[in-house]
Amino acid sequence: EIVLTQSPVTLSLSPGERATLSCRASQSISSNLAWYQQKPGQAPRLLISDASNRATGIPARFSGSGSGTDFTLTISSLEPEDFAVYYCQQCSSWPLFTFGPGTKVDIK
Amino acid sequence: EVQLVESGGGLVKPGGSLRLSCTASGFNFGVCTMIWVRQAPGKGLEWVSAIGADSSHRGHADSVQGRFSISRDNAKNSLYLQMNSLRAEDTAVYYCAREISGRYFDSWGQGSLVIVSS
Repeated sequence: EIVLTQSPVTLSLSPGERATLSCRASQSISSNLAWYQQKPGQAPRLLISDASNRATGIPARFSGSGSGTDFTLTISSLEPEDFAVYYCQQCSSWPLFTFGPGTKVDIK
Repeated sequence: EVQLVESGGGLVKPGGSLRLSCTASGFNFGVCTMIWVRQAPGKGLEWVSAIGADSSHRGHADSVQGRFSISRDNAKNSLYLQMNSLRAEDTAVYYCAREISGRYFDSWGQGSLVIVSS
């Protein structure tokens, strides 16, 4: 089973600042990685698929990069609505889906 | 507009059973792989079960294998999760979601809360 780890656990930033979130896989997953955003009381929302492709309707301030085992989600300038928990997810072999433990982006 | 609406959650005693339903609309349900993901209170996301469009392919997480069963009725645009031998650690919000590209989940329901407690 491929394990995903995320860092940091919590990221405390102010609106307008840049957020950089990391996701690392226990073995290479090529570019088969997604990022989700989850706000309290809401379902997750797909932000990025295939490591760098923004989902429909996702603002350009969200970008993803990486391949192999190391991946990054960058929010170029935090908006108030961006404070949330972010999860990475992979599926190397259907249906073995795994999620990372999440990174909480909160207001400093 | 894609919509997924879960129902069937509630309070059940350890060892009991529950059946969750997910009703889909706004897309061609019959050609989509569907999944269930759960989230224990204050915890992260955990994939539970997946089923292919024609039900020929199914899979369950080790944590629920032998106790949970996923199924679907394409004529009713509905997805189901039969949960048996429930344990306290199965307490969670259960989400249904649509899979895309064989790897990711692009549409989610609002979730259905299952509480396993005596």
